[in-house]
Amino acid sequence: DIVMTQTPLSLSVTPGQPASISCKSSQSLLHSGSKTYLYWYLEKPGQPPQLLMYEISNRFSAVPDRFTGSGSGTDFTLKISRVEAEDVGVYYCMQSLQLPYTFGQGTKLEIK
Amino acid sequence: QVQLVQSGAEVKETGDSVRVSCQASGYSFNSYAMHWVRQAPGQRLEWVGWVNTANGNTNYSPRLQGRVTITRDTSASTAYMELSTLRSEDTAVYYCARVGPIYYFDLWGQGTLVTVSS
Repeated sequence: DIVMTQTPLSLSVTPGQPASISCKSSQSLLHSGSKTYLYWYLEKPGQPPQLLMYEISNRFSAVPDRFTGSGSGTDFTLKISRVEAEDVGVYYCMQSLQLPYTFGQGTKLEIK
Repeated sequence: QVQLVQSGAEVKETGDSVRVSCQASGYSFNSYAMHWVRQAPGQRLEWVGWVNTANGNTNYSPRLQGRVTITRDTSASTAYMELSTLRSEDTAVYYCARVGPIYYFDLWGQGTLVTVSS
């Protein structure tokens, strides 16, 4: 299985300040067809996860542009330029290159 | 509207089986695969398996192979996940989530809590 490792596991951020989450995979997520199957999800309290980013850096519908995804191969980063109160929750990276799909441990974002 | 609605919470005993349903509405059921993901308390999300809603083909997590069965009823736009020989470590929230030609898991059900007690 591909192992996904996130750091940090928790973040406490003042509103308006930036935040960054790292996700590393145990093998490259680059498919031969040139897509990289790395996704980001946010699980808000009491809700199911919601899709934020697909294929590293593409924002899903209605995701604010303060969210940016970057990286390649095995190293990926999700950045929030200016954290807002509505961003609290647990962020997960996931690989869908090969079955079984696997998730990172999650990074809990709190507001100071 | 476009949504996935799951069946309600279940309380089971060790060794029992449980079946969770996931009814889709607002989109063409056969055009999206249906996956199941679970989250045990304090644990990361774990992929359970998926069904090709068009032809019924399935694939399961090796960890659950032999105990999990995913099916679908196209006439009811509903997918089902059955887990047998339940253990305490199967206590989790089970989600269904769809996969389409572009996005993975862009739509999730609300989750179903399955509690296994001994």
